[in-house]
Amino acid sequence: GEDVEQSLFLSVREGDSSVINCTYTDSSSTYLYWYKQEPGAGLQLLTYIFSNMDMKQDQRLTVLLNKKDKHLSLRIADTQTGDSAIYFCAENEGGATNKLIFGTGTLLAVQP
Amino acid sequence: DGGITQSPKYLFRKEGQNVTLSCEQNLNHDAMYWYRQDPGQGLRLIYYSQIVNDFQKGDIAEGYSVSREKKESFPLTVTSAQKNPTAFYLCASSQVLHLGGTGELFFGEGSRLTVL
Repeated sequence: GEDVEQSLFLSVREGDSSVINCTYTDSSSTYLYWYKQEPGAGLQLLTYIFSNMDMKQDQRLTVLLNKKDKHLSLRIADTQTGDSAIYFCAENEGGATNKLIFGTGTLLAVQP
Repeated sequence: DGGITQSPKYLFRKEGQNVTLSCEQNLNHDAMYWYRQDPGQGLRLIYYSQIVNDFQKGDIAEGYSVSREKKESFPLTVTSAQKNPTAFYLCASSQVLHLGGTGELFFGEGSRLTVL
């Protein structure tokens, strides 16, 4: 079945760039997504990328998609303490349903 | 403002009791979902519904039940048959892809259930 994998933890210093990586398995996914979850809260969509794109940039966020390797990454430039959160990547399952398959989440800790 | 409202935010239950978590959306979305979140396991899909009066089991439906009598509402009942119900429950909604959306899910703030 579909599987989405992420590393569990990433620690960076304030002002550095953060890169969170994700691998997925469903090559028919139309969209791939990055969500952010702050403690005790729901998930908020950060950005998404259409499957026929290689890169998408949105202010401090850059998403890179390598379809051949089924690898997705999220780069956060000039990381701030407010970026500390859990980041989830997700793929659309494909087909007629709208189910998203989520990764395990990466906890980003930003050190001042 | 449009959004998804989950209630209650915190809920305590004794073993053997059923509890119902509420989820209401005013985004006019056709699809609604329930996910369970446990530490280190990401989100796992419990049930989803793409249209009123219809719903499908997700990956971990055992011990849970849902209804979809209205477009805006998708309550989840955690029954006494659920062996390990303590978790953070997240409700979400989306517009279905074939209606031109991007498939993104909009989430509520979650409900934390603790079984005593």
